Amino acid sequence: AQTVTQSQPEMSVQEAETVTLSCTYDTSESDYYLFWYKQPPSRQMILVIRQEAYKQQNATENRFSVNFQKAAKSFSLKISDSQLGDAAMYFCAYRSMEYGNKLVFGAGTILRVKS
Amino acid sequence: NAGVTQTPKFQVLKTGQSMTLQCAQDMNHNSMYWYRQDPGMGLRLIYYSASEGTTDKGEVPNGYNVSRLNKREFSLRLESAAPSQTSVYFCASSEVGPSDTQYFGPGTRLTVL
Repeated sequence: AQTVTQSQPEMSVQEAETVTLSCTYDTSESDYYLFWYKQPPSRQMILVIRQEAYKQQNATENRFSVNFQKAAKSFSLKISDSQLGDAAMYFCAYRSMEYGNKLVFGAGTILRVKS
Repeated sequence: NAGVTQTPKFQVLKTGQSMTLQCAQDMNHNSMYWYRQDPGMGLRLIYYSASEGTTDKGEVPNGYNVSRLNKREFSLRLESAAPSQTSVYFCASSEVGPSDTQYFGPGTRLTVL
């Protein structure tokens, strides 16, 4: 079974600085998808970015980018020019190509942004 | 376009009571999901429905039943609530393929006393 590990329960960043959130996963599959979701205090789950495992190019979405290291099974999220609105819980998630459409989530990282 | 909606937003039950959580989506998605979120853990899949008329167990199905009423609606039922079912419940929907993004509802906070 696939597992997702987020080793940083909590991170802090100064406004306008850059922060990187870590995620590792365990799988025997060669094709899969990886996602980062943001959960602000409102509880709403918001997709931040996604990466297809067969693509070598790292995904980017405005201030958000990933560092995808397939061999190391690592999928970190970099947030540049951090803003107060980035404060939230961030979840890394894995989605299998073979075993249905289920998402497997990590435990989450709380990101605090200091002004 | 409301996306994924859930009712109720909050609920308090006594042990042994039953209730149904409702979920509806207006994105014409084929697949729908129920997750629970507990402190210190990510979301865990309870049940999912890959398409209308089908349902399958996820990681933590015990104590729950589901109904895919039609393409839009997917309900989660607790027949006899237990304190261990105190959690935040999320419904999500997506298209069929693994590349398709899951869109989440706002969640239901359930407390079982």
